[in-house]
Amino acid sequence: GAVVSQHPSRVICKSGTSVKIECRSLDFQATTMFWYRQFPKQSLMLMATSNEGSKATYEQGVEKDKFLINHASLTLSTLTVTSAHPEDSSFYICSARDRGPFGYEQYFGPGTRLTVT
Amino acid sequence: DQQVKQNSPSLSVQEGRISILNCDYTNSMFDYFLWYKKYPAEGPTFLISISSIKDKNEDGRFTVFLNKSAKHLSLHIVPSQPGDSAVYFCAAQLDSNYQLIWGAGTKLIIKP
Repeated sequence: GAVVSQHPSRVICKSGTSVKIECRSLDFQATTMFWYRQFPKQSLMLMATSNEGSKATYEQGVEKDKFLINHASLTLSTLTVTSAHPEDSSFYICSARDRGPFGYEQYFGPGTRLTVT
Repeated sequence: DQQVKQNSPSLSVQEGRISILNCDYTNSMFDYFLWYKKYPAEGPTFLISISSIKDKNEDGRFTVFLNKSAKHLSLHIVPSQPGDSAVYFCAAQLDSNYQLIWGAGTKLIIKP
């Protein structure tokens, strides 16, 4: 099946610094990738939809200047958390869309645990 | 407004028995439904899906049933195994190109 990777898997950073998370589709091209975050014991929350070659579409309540998304190629999307604060500590997951038998299906990366101290 | 609901936050089932996870939705325009399994600190893994034109889809130990009139779907796992212990998310799509709308998840615990 389709494989999506994320790097890094874990990152600890100091408050005020920026962190970049990479999402790659390894064996397929993804024109659309999605970024989610998950708080403990809660469902996945869609942050933004990333389309290759164009600006990302952010969900309501997500600060686009804080969470910078770049989808520069068909296999790579990056999420940069700028000026991170402890409340940004979370589990960030990306997914990439590929065509399945009934239409598009999403394949998820393994996630990145961000801890801001 | 939660369009996809999983009303049971957790479910405990004896190993070997059937696990039934439920999901309700409010939007009758959803035309594709998916189940994902998630272990702690990992990304979700796709399990099984069903198109709205079907009422059942089976894949090994996993079967998904869709009742459109009741706006309800369920995932059956039989027989349940210890490795099935995880959080299960139900998700829906408005059309084949649209983003997933997620339920809150149900934590399944398989007891030995």
